[in-house]
Amino acid sequence: EPEVTQTPSHQVTQMGQEVILRCVPISNHLYFYWYRQILGQKVEFLVSFYNNEISEKSEIFDDQFSVERPDGSNFTLKIRSTKLEDSAMYFCASTKGVSSPLHFGNGTRLTVT
Amino acid sequence: RKEVEQDPGPFNVPEGATVAFNCTYSNSASQSFFWYRQDCRKEPKLLMSVYSSGNEDGRFTAQLNRASQYISLLIRDSKLSDSATYLCVVARGGSYIPTFGRGTSLIVHP
Repeated sequence: EPEVTQTPSHQVTQMGQEVILRCVPISNHLYFYWYRQILGQKVEFLVSFYNNEISEKSEIFDDQFSVERPDGSNFTLKIRSTKLEDSAMYFCASTKGVSSPLHFGNGTRLTVT
Repeated sequence: RKEVEQDPGPFNVPEGATVAFNCTYSNSASQSFFWYRQDCRKEPKLLMSVYSSGNEDGRFTAQLNRASQYISLLIRDSKLSDSATYLCVVARGGSYIPTFGRGTSLIVHP
């Protein structure tokens, strides 16, 4: 069964550094998402991406965040200058269409020190 | 009112028990409903979609009540392996942004 893959599984970085989280969505899916989950808290929406552009973003997704789909397969989340409070699990998800369920990657655990 | 609300639990039940979770949602325009399961520090995994007429998958039954704006999940004959957090997910039409509840923790003990 096709799956969403994310790399790295764990990223440790110092405050103020830039990080890029990578995702390969399922190949025939059209909608891509980033969510985050701070330890012990709920899964929170960050951004959705469709047709090579951002379709929606949450208030969490400020100017420090950006997403790209640089080629036909990768979907990346960049955090320009990390803060301690960015420490969380970041999940990439994709779906083939509206009303369809999301399929999640294994997540990247980001630790900002 | 929160967009998607769940009782966090934990629900602590013996093996073989039947347990039910409810989830309420605030937006009456919501159109898509799902239950996901999340194990500790893992990604959410789809358990089942929830259809208007209700649906069943083995020991799991999901129901939707649009008038009262809630969905439910019933687990029959609980197994130890059912121990996890169950996440209610609701999405509106239009811009498709599935929104997660906080999750309900289930612990099944021998």
